[in-house]
Amino acid sequence: AQKITQTQPGMFVQEKEAVTLDCTYDTSDPSYGLFWYKQPSSGEMIFLIYQGSYDQQNATEGRYSLNFQKARKSANLVISASQLGDSAMYFCALLTTDSWGKFQFGAGTQVVVTP
Amino acid sequence: DGGITQSPKYLFRKEGQNVTLSCEQNLNHDAMYWYRQDPGQGLRLIYYSQIVNDFQKGDIAEGYSVSREKKESFPLTVTSAQKNPTAFYLCASSIRLASTGELFFGEGSRLTVL
Repeated sequence: AQKITQTQPGMFVQEKEAVTLDCTYDTSDPSYGLFWYKQPSSGEMIFLIYQGSYDQQNATEGRYSLNFQKARKSANLVISASQLGDSAMYFCALLTTDSWGKFQFGAGTQVVVTP
Repeated sequence: DGGITQSPKYLFRKEGQNVTLSCEQNLNHDAMYWYRQDPGQGLRLIYYSQIVNDFQKGDIAEGYSVSREKKESFPLTVTSAQKNPTAFYLCASSIRLASTGELFFGEGSRLTVL
């Protein structure tokens, strides 16, 4: 069975600083995808970034980048130059080919950006 | 604009009542999903559907029912059999089930049982 773990329940970060959100996963499937979502207080889930298990390069999307360390089974999200609007809950999710459609979500990390 | 619409946004019900949450998408996606989120927790899969007239149980299907009569619509009924129904419910869709594409989410429905 696959599993996804986010060990940081909450973090404070100062505006304009970078922050790293940890995500580790466990799966025996060689083909999988890792996703990060942002959930503001309004509740909707916003897709941020995706990393495929066979991707050679770390994914980047604007101020978001994914530090993918396959051997360590980690997929940490890095948010550079934090903004007040980045304050939200962030979820890591795993999708494997042997469980199509059944995204596994971590418990989330609450990020608060301070001026 | 294309997207997923959930209604109602807030819903209150008395114990013992069934309630149906609506989810409509105009993205032409084949696959649709229902997730439940409890405070401070991640999302847990209730049901999912990959095509019309077909759906599968997720990890916490007990006390819930769904239908998929149209591609655009995937309503969720929270029945009186659900022991602890107060939660935030999110509907999502993806292009198709066997895909590495991301999920697109609605804005959620918050159900409170009084």
